[in-house]
Amino acid sequence: ETGVTQTPRHLVMGMTNKKSLKCEQHLGHNAMYWYKQSAKKPLELMFVYNFKEQTENNSVPSRFSPECPNSSHLFLHLHTLQPEDSALYLCASSRPTTGGGATNEKLFFGSGTQLSVL
Amino acid sequence: AQKVTQAQTEISVVEKEDVTLDCVYETRDTTYYLFWYKQPPSGELVFLIRRNSFDEQNEISGRYSWNFQKSTSSFNFTITASQVVDSAVYFCALSEGGAGNNRKLIWGLGTSLAVNP
Repeated sequence: ETGVTQTPRHLVMGMTNKKSLKCEQHLGHNAMYWYKQSAKKPLELMFVYNFKEQTENNSVPSRFSPECPNSSHLFLHLHTLQPEDSALYLCASSRPTTGGGATNEKLFFGSGTQLSVL
Repeated sequence: AQKVTQAQTEISVVEKEDVTLDCVYETRDTTYYLFWYKQPPSGELVFLIRRNSFDEQNEISGRYSWNFQKSTSSFNFTITASQVVDSAVYFCALSEGGAGNNRKLIWGLGTSLAVNP
């Protein structure tokens, strides 16, 4: 139990659907992250939030829309996805970073949402 | 360019064997951090260790040990007397020092370790 909870664990959606991924952390952290994990690729950082403010958008297509209403919750809204967006989406949290997507703090990850786009 | 290489894609051992997972990194910075994370089948990555570039002492934590060699830019991870519960994908990562938005956290592709009974 890492203190970071992601729902749903699995999601199958069509290319025209709209869905949202949810992440909640109970660690008192102020930085939250979305990562994409695809086979045979390094972990890809998508977004970083520090104290609810987005501090990194790693050239992510607009069909992915993050939302951070408070330091404990992070959402990833999905719409008109493509089959190549199928992947494991991981949420993480840490103590605040001073900028950018790099952090020297240890990351605490959720179990991820396995997304399949048909 | 910054890079993390985990040359071993998959390793399979029998329980109680020792196993070493290799990690080689490239960076131009003198200040950086190295990490190892474990990803069990449940999916979440679990932090194992963080080491800064100025601390070359090897570290041991139970059955786990890490060998940091700046001369060869390597940060290898050894599991002694492996157990089935060690079966997971292990990731090495590099975070460079310095301020601002140009810092990056670079991940290796991971090594999948299977420990068989």
